Amino acid sequence: AQSVAQPEDQVNVAEGNPLTVKCTYSVSGNPYLFWYVQYPNRGLQFLLKYITGDNLVKGSYGFEAEFNKSQTSFHLKKPSALVSDSALYFCAVRDPTGANNLFFGTGTRLTVIP
Amino acid sequence: DTAVSQTPKYLVTQMGNDKSIKCEQNLGHDTMYWYKQDSKKFLKIMFSYNNKELIINETVPNRFSPKSPDKAHLNLHINSLELGDSAVYFCASRAGAQPLHFGNGTRLTVT
Repeated sequence: AQSVAQPEDQVNVAEGNPLTVKCTYSVSGNPYLFWYVQYPNRGLQFLLKYITGDNLVKGSYGFEAEFNKSQTSFHLKKPSALVSDSALYFCAVRDPTGANNLFFGTGTRLTVIP
Repeated sequence: DTAVSQTPKYLVTQMGNDKSIKCEQNLGHDTMYWYKQDSKKFLKIMFSYNNKELIINETVPNRFSPKSPDKAHLNLHINSLELGDSAVYFCASRAGAQPLHFGNGTRLTVT
């Protein structure tokens, strides 16, 4: 069965500093990995995905994520955080060999401090 | 605008009632979903549906039932509402292996 873990409920970072939001996954086949962001009272918005190819994936709003197969991780990163990046971030995994549904982590609340 | 739209945005009702939440997508996607987000922000898949197959998360009570009149709609019916059903319900859709597109959610409060 597939699963994804986000070990940190909350991440605080100062504006202008680099940020990392952690994610590890477990899946039987080759994973499809995603990051989504949720702003208050809104649905989730897609940020980036890894399907195959380069391990470093670039996405929306300057975010990137690195796929690490040996560590089964897919951490979200940004070189310089903005206050407007403050939101709830979800990592998700899809096992393409199964029912192809998307399973989400428990979310990490990112707060960027001015 | 191309989007996934849900109605109503807020739904307040009493225990024991039956209610429906509607979802429409004009993105031409072939698969639609319902997710439940609880008070701790945990997201749990409830149903996935395309033209061929309805997949139900086995932990979802049978008081919940999806209805799809056509490819662009997937409504959620809930019978005999309980306090624990209070949550935000998100509809989503996708095409093939592409990312999910989410609606803005329906906040259900059962009193």
